[in-house]
Amino acid sequence: DTGVSQDPRHKITKRGQNVTFRCDPISEHNRLYWYRQTLGQGPEFLTYFQNEAQLEKSRLLSDRFSAERPKGSFSTLEIQRTEQGDSAMYLCASSPRTVSNTGELFFGEGSRLTVL
Amino acid sequence: GENVEQHPSTLSVQEGDSAVIKCTYSDSASNYFPWYKQELGKRPQLIIDIRSNVGEKKDQRIAVTLNKTAKHFSLHITETQPEDSAVYFCAAPRQGAQKLVFGQGTRLTINP
Repeated sequence: DTGVSQDPRHKITKRGQNVTFRCDPISEHNRLYWYRQTLGQGPEFLTYFQNEAQLEKSRLLSDRFSAERPKGSFSTLEIQRTEQGDSAMYLCASSPRTVSNTGELFFGEGSRLTVL
Repeated sequence: GENVEQHPSTLSVQEGDSAVIKCTYSDSASNYFPWYKQELGKRPQLIIDIRSNVGEKKDQRIAVTLNKTAKHFSLHITETQPEDSAVYFCAAPRQGAQKLVFGQGTRLTINP
């Protein structure tokens, strides 16, 4: 399978713990996105990378959230001191072209976080 | 920034009938309007998109129409089938930003 892969698929944690999600994009895609999706809502943008550079961050991304994409390949999203409001599906997507150049987003299956 | 409103939030139609989902956007500079389908427990996947220089695009039973003056675009599914049951999201790019802003989604149910 050469699609976008995310790990872990499910994570249950206690409030206050740190969690890290990993995304492996389609290999030739230099653009990588993180979105968050809660039940009954559309994906909400969190952050965007072009190669290794983080070019945009949503104001939804508090100081507890950090994302990296070392070497412009896989990416990690870390949430520190988790809160119950962080419970959501975290979706990663990659694209070979910019959105303005009609770049389709190829989503992974997501990492579902449950904070108890 | 871009704001995308989608309605209805739920839609139930009889198999074989047509379904229409509508979205409005706020950024007049937006030039690309995709629709994604998300089946239960699955990833969102692109099903059709349209650029701002055309008014309509069709792909078999699916079509998208765009009205730039009114800043709205619609998804039309004809001859609906049970496998069309899913949540559908419209999206538009935010001006100057390399990201898509998604609508709230429409849960479409096809009744046999």
